[in-house]
Amino acid sequence: DIQMTQSPSTLSASVGDTVTITCRASQSISDWLAWYQQKPGKAPKLLIYKASGLENGVPSRFSGSGSGTEFTLTISSLQPDDFATYYCQQYNSYYTFGQGTKLEIK
Amino acid sequence: EVQLLESGGGLVQPGGSLRLSCVASGFTFSNYAMTWVRQAPGKGLEWVSTMSGRGSTTYYADSVKGRFTISRDNSKNMVFLQMNNLRAEDTAVYFCARDKAAVAGGNYFDSWGQGALVTVSS
Repeated sequence: DIQMTQSPSTLSASVGDTVTITCRASQSISDWLAWYQQKPGKAPKLLIYKASGLENGVPSRFSGSGSGTEFTLTISSLQPDDFATYYCQQYNSYYTFGQGTKLEIK
Repeated sequence: EVQLLESGGGLVQPGGSLRLSCVASGFTFSNYAMTWVRQAPGKGLEWVSTMSGRGSTTYYADSVKGRFTISRDNSKNMVFLQMNNLRAEDTAVYFCARDKAAVAGGNYFDSWGQGALVTVSS
């Protein structure tokens, strides 16, 4: 089974900051990686697919990069609505999610 | 607009059974694989099961294999999750999600329902 490890688990930042979340796969997954945003009590929302593809309607301040085993999600110029939990997900072999990164207001 | 609405959650005793339903609208249902993902209270997301658009292919997580069964009725735009021999560790919010393609496997999930809470407790 492919394991996905996100870091950090918690991230504190301020409005206007740029932040980066890292996701590592236990084996190569090419670019079969998605990123989701989840707010408390709500369903996850797709942000990024195929490592760097921006889902329709998602602001351009969200960007993804990486391939193989290491991936990043970058959020530029943080907005108040961005404070949430973020998950990576591999879909190279079945499906595995990372454990999540909670983005908090500093 | 794509909409997914789960129902059927509730409180069940260990060893019991429950059937979740998810009704879809706003897209051609049979053109998409459908997936169930769960989230235990305060925990992360866990993939549970996926079925292809025509229902010919199914996949299950090891944690539910042999106990859960996914099915769909394309005439009613619905996907189901039959959960048997439930355990305390199955307690979670269960989300249905739309895969990006009709084939099962190798997809991300582009639309999600709001979730149904399943509580397994005596």
